[in-house]
Amino acid sequence: GAGVSQTPSNKVTEKGKYVELRCDPISGHTALYWYRQSLGQGPEFLIYFQGTGAADDSGLPNDRFFAVRPEGSVSTLKIQRTERGDSAVYLCASSLGPTSGQETQYFGPGTRLLVL
Amino acid sequence: EDQVTQSPEALRLQEGESSSLNCSYTVSGLRGLFWYRQDPGKGPEFLFTLYSAGEEKEKERLKATLTKKESFLHITAPKPEDSATYLCAVQAWRYSGGSNYKLTFGKGTLLTVNP
Repeated sequence: GAGVSQTPSNKVTEKGKYVELRCDPISGHTALYWYRQSLGQGPEFLIYFQGTGAADDSGLPNDRFFAVRPEGSVSTLKIQRTERGDSAVYLCASSLGPTSGQETQYFGPGTRLLVL
Repeated sequence: EDQVTQSPEALRLQEGESSSLNCSYTVSGLRGLFWYRQDPGKGPEFLFTLYSAGEEKEKERLKATLTKKESFLHITAPKPEDSATYLCAVQAWRYSGGSNYKLTFGKGTLLTVNP
């Protein structure tokens, strides 16, 4: 596809349940980022992948959050034992990667997560 | 810790009424400053990257400028379709821990342009 895609676009779950959010980056982009955006706030960094490895996971709020990118393309953000405070829009972005000299991150439409 | 403060929080303009949005930042070493536009229910859309003080970039009715402490997004003769939230973000050089690539965002300025 032409841009970053994310599925599902909306997810409603109950407190305590497990959810997976998927991100498909722009073809050829080696860097992938996850951010979280709460209402009225700017996006907040969660994790950065370069290829298959997590190069920086300093933004993950606690050990209930985990992300993978096993083949260096699609990434999945996993949230265990969801809490109402996890409700937010989860944004994925991709970029060409550090060796390209092109730093621009392109964002997907986001997944709106609501925890009841 | 990197900090980004955007002002005003909201701005209402009449069509054709030019104005500026401000982004003040504090970083250990600026790698890049980014402006994005975000429409309701959508992801941020890239507008500009600025790398050094004195740099300017333009796109249609928008012009972004950068100093050592702040950036301005100037909007000339805005139209209703320019209505959106404008986000500013910084990328910083990190000399110990963390990556050089994560973005730290401000809360954004909600711009409304009335016809």
